[in-house]
Amino acid sequence: DVKVTQSSRYLVKRTGEKVFLECVQDMDHENMFWYRQDPGLGLRLIYFSYDVKMKEKGDIPEGYSVSREKKERFSLILESASTNQTSMYLCASKDSFNNSPLHFGNGTRLTVT
Amino acid sequence: QKEVEQDPGPLSVPEGAIVSLNCTYSNSAFQYFMWYRQYSRKGPELLMYTYSSGNKEDGRFTAQVDKSSKYISLFIRDSQPSDSATYLCATSKAAGNKLTFGGGTRVLVKP
Repeated sequence: DVKVTQSSRYLVKRTGEKVFLECVQDMDHENMFWYRQDPGLGLRLIYFSYDVKMKEKGDIPEGYSVSREKKERFSLILESASTNQTSMYLCASKDSFNNSPLHFGNGTRLTVT
Repeated sequence: QKEVEQDPGPLSVPEGAIVSLNCTYSNSAFQYFMWYRQYSRKGPELLMYTYSSGNKEDGRFTAQVDKSSKYISLFIRDSQPSDSATYLCATSKAAGNKLTFGGGTRVLVKP
């Protein structure tokens, strides 16, 4: 079974802090994704990566950056956290076959105060 | 206007009833349609995957796509309390392409 592990279940950070959200997958998937989930808005794609050291902007990349130094790990970075980044963050991975599904982690609930 | 619209619910039904969920979308380029189920405090998991118009059945679950109306549906027969979850529809323009999600509908199946 594919396992996508997000390092923290809950995080509370202050405005202006630099925040790192970590995600690790154990199935050697090429593709990894970061989404945020907000009530009524569904999942919105922040960034994704098709390969090591490769990244692509999603729909809402502003205020975020990512890092993929190893195939199994994809990090989301909030350079200077703001209150409007309070959200549930979901990491997902997928293999290279077109019809294969996204496998999600259980999310990190980030609160910025 | 969001590209994929979904009633947030909650939708409350008695055990054994049919649950009917739907989404509408605005972009006729969407070709692939998915339903994800998300239990509380968990990540979404793929439930159904369909391509273009038509029906697909998997056990108690049936997914329908009507591209002429830009309308997708999920039916759950003989609903169980374990079906209580949030159901998210998702679409993409091509296989393996970026997914666009609806906002999710929360479903409560009462024993």
